[in-house]
Amino acid sequence: EIVMTQSPATLSVSPGERATLSCRASQTVSSNLAWYQQKPGQAPRLLIYGASTRATGIPARFSGSGSGTEFTLTVSSLQSEDFAVYYCQHYNNWPPEGTFGQGTKVEIK
Amino acid sequence: QVQLVQSGAEVKKPGASVKVSCKASGYTFTSYFMHWVRQAPGQGLEWMGIINPSGGSTSYAQKFQGRVTMTRDTSTNTVYMELSSLRSEDTAIYYCARDGSVGMTTTLVYWGQGTLVTVSS
Repeated sequence: EIVMTQSPATLSVSPGERATLSCRASQTVSSNLAWYQQKPGQAPRLLIYGASTRATGIPARFSGSGSGTEFTLTVSSLQSEDFAVYYCQHYNNWPPEGTFGQGTKVEIK
Repeated sequence: QVQLVQSGAEVKKPGASVKVSCKASGYTFTSYFMHWVRQAPGQGLEWMGIINPSGGSTSYAQKFQGRVTMTRDTSTNTVYMELSSLRSEDTAIYYCARDGSVGMTTTLVYWGQGTLVTVSS
């Protein structure tokens, strides 16, 4: 079973600054990597799939990179609405898999 | 527009079972796989498994095998997740989420509103 590890657990950033979040897979997952954003009391929202493709309606300040076992989500200039918890997820078509990382909380510095 | 509407909150005793429903609308029900994900209070997301509404085939995360059953009713465009032998650690919000790709397992694009299941004696 593939294990997804995110770092750091908490990231303190000032509005307007860049945030860089990391996700590591215990074995290669190719580019089958997604990022989600979750705000309190809400369901998660898909941000990035295929490691680097923004989902529909996602602002350009969100970008994803990486392949294999190391992945990064970058928010270029944090807006107030971006303070949330972010999860990476490895997905696989067969056998079906959807393992999440433990999350990174981005909080206001 | 795609909508996933889940059943209401449940309170169950340890050892009991719970069955959560997820009614889909706004798209061809049998074309997209449906995932189930849970989130314990203050914790992260946990993928439970997936069902293909077309043929009813399922695949469960190893942790839940033997305790979870996912089914569907194509006459009402509804999927169900039943979890048995409940324990306190199963207290969580349970989400259904529709896959983004036709006939494949990829990302979770559309989410239900979540159903809180509380297990308490």
